[in-house]
Amino acid sequence: GAGVSQSPRYKVAKRGQDVALRCDPISGHVSLFWYQQALGQGPEFLTYFQNEAQLDKSGLPSDRFFAERPEGSVSTLKIQRTQQEDSAVYLCASSSPGMDTQYFGPGTRLTVL
Amino acid sequence: GDSVTQMEGPVTLSEEAFLTINCTYTATGYPSLFWYVQYPGEGLQLLLKATKADDKGSNKGFEATYRKETTSFHLEKGSVQVSDSAVYFCALIEGHRDDKIIFGKGTRLHILP
Repeated sequence: GAGVSQSPRYKVAKRGQDVALRCDPISGHVSLFWYQQALGQGPEFLTYFQNEAQLDKSGLPSDRFFAERPEGSVSTLKIQRTQQEDSAVYLCASSSPGMDTQYFGPGTRLTVL
Repeated sequence: GDSVTQMEGPVTLSEEAFLTINCTYTATGYPSLFWYVQYPGEGLQLLLKATKADDKGSNKGFEATYRKETTSFHLEKGSVQVSDSAVYFCALIEGHRDDKIIFGKGTRLHILP
């Protein structure tokens, strides 16, 4: 596709449910990033992949958050036992190796009731 | 750690007014600096960037100059349009290019016709 796509665009979950958020990066982009954007705040880094390797997961807020990119393309961010504080927009971005420009998807808005 | 501070919004201006959105940063090394824009209903887009001191980034009539002595990267536009209404994020990448972005909290801009 022409850009980064994410699905679903909106997700409502009851507290305690597990959710899975999908990111399709731009074809050929090696690097993939996940960010969390709380209401009225700037995006905050969660984790980073280069191909299928997760090189940095220092931003994941708890062990309930897990991300994978098994074939070096599509990535999934999974949140287990969701809590209200997990409500946010989850952004995915991809880039080419050695480039400082990241291309962002439209985000998934997660609301935990 | 590294951080970005930008002026709080919302900022409301009339069409054709001059715009300045202040941004300062804290970094241990020599970061690349960015302005990203988020139009209503759309994903984050790179507006402009500068990679070293005294560089000026420009795009769509917007400009920002990398000022190392004042650790600033203020965004300016001489004559704003209604279509510039959006949220603007100042950001940096520390170190090598393929790294996480550190964002400011964002400044919402409203342009009145």
